[in-house]
Amino acid sequence: KAGVTQTPRYLIKTRGQQVTLSCSPISGHRSVSWYQQTPGQGLQFLFEYFSETQRNKGNFPGRFSGRQFSNSRSEMNVSTLELGDSALYLCASSMAGEETQYFGPGTRLLVL
Amino acid sequence: GNSVTQMEGPVTLSEEAFLTINCTYTATGYPSLFWYVQYPGEGLQLLLKATKADDKGSNKGFEATYRKETTSFHLEKGSVQVSDSAVYFCALRKLNTGTASKLTFGTGTRLQVTL
Repeated sequence: KAGVTQTPRYLIKTRGQQVTLSCSPISGHRSVSWYQQTPGQGLQFLFEYFSETQRNKGNFPGRFSGRQFSNSRSEMNVSTLELGDSALYLCASSMAGEETQYFGPGTRLLVL
Repeated sequence: GNSVTQMEGPVTLSEEAFLTINCTYTATGYPSLFWYVQYPGEGLQLLLKATKADDKGSNKGFEATYRKETTSFHLEKGSVQVSDSAVYFCALRKLNTGTASKLTFGTGTRLQVTL
């Protein structure tokens, strides 16, 4: 069974731009979560989606948003990029009712 | 709220040495506990997990036992290899009825194994 896939793997943007990251969960997994990883803050939870509904949200500004489609694929969007948004963005999926999350390889975003 | 505390790294060991990475947690109820590993330039890989007290998770020679009385989930390996060099994250997660909860991570412990 294929793992979690994320596209693109690398992105370079400039301040003020917006970016959309994509995540395809493991087949059969309906829950998708997003995390931001930075050297200074470590791994921080962004949000979780289940059946196209946001079920949980971390402490990030409204510039960070996401959505989930009927096939469980998810996207996250960051508008008005800031230098501090440079990070590795990780997507994780899990089966409904299961606590184990499986991670994708991440998208590394660099904001210049 | 939930929290995870890991020992500070880096941990530097010689090949075939014994490894222990300490992890303690604070949570209400009975969360599931996890160890994830991150190799350079990659995402997180699930290494092992335990879902209830006294459970032992194991994989690839690594082990960790869910100790409710000491709220700990220490990672151990009897003989490390150079290929084990990576960052190890302890994490917990507890699903609430009707909602899902996030994974709460420790700060990560970098392990470097030398020949």
